Amino acid sequence: EIVMTQSPATLSVSPGERATLSCRASQSVSSNLAWYQQKPGQAPRLLIYDASTRATGIPARFSGSGSGTEFTLTISSLQSEDFAVYYCQQYNNWPPYTFGQGTKLEIK
Amino acid sequence: EVQLVETGGGLIQPGGSLRLSCAASGFTVSRNYMSWVRQAPGKGLEWVSIIYSDGSTDYADSVKGRFTISRDNSKNTLYLQMNSLRAEDTAVYYCARDALGGNYYYMDVWGKGTTVTVSS
Repeated sequence: EIVMTQSPATLSVSPGERATLSCRASQSVSSNLAWYQQKPGQAPRLLIYDASTRATGIPARFSGSGSGTEFTLTISSLQSEDFAVYYCQQYNNWPPYTFGQGTKLEIK
Repeated sequence: EVQLVETGGGLIQPGGSLRLSCAASGFTVSRNYMSWVRQAPGKGLEWVSIIYSDGSTDYADSVKGRFTISRDNSKNTLYLQMNSLRAEDTAVYYCARDALGGNYYYMDVWGKGTTVTVSS
């Protein structure tokens, strides 16, 4: 089973600034990686798939990069609605699909 | 509009059984891979099970032998039969559609979830 590790656990950033979230896989997952956003009391929402492709309706301030074992989600200019928990998930070696433990993005 | 609506959650005693349903609209369940994912209180996401378009299935080790995923094509609905429930099965259960990326499948549409609480 592939273990996904996200860092940091909590990230404090001011609105308008850039946020950079990291995700590492225990072995290569090629580009088969997705990012999800989850707000309190809501379901996860797909942001990025195939490591760098934005899902339908996702603003251009969200971008994903990386391949193999190292991945990054960047939010270029934080809006108030972006403060949430973000999860990465690999779908290269499955089952099982595996998720990172999440990064909480909070207002500084 | 593509939508998933889960129902069937509730409070159940350890050792009991529960069946969750996930009604789909805007697409055909039987033509897609469909997954169940759960989230324990205050915790992260855990994939539970998948049913493929050919009807075959896979499960997480934590639920293998206790949970069964199925679908009713006439109702366009996905199910999760949960038996021998344990306290550690307490979670919000989400159904999700699996979409094909460049090579493999990721979860593109999620329901709002249904809460299962296993407690005496």
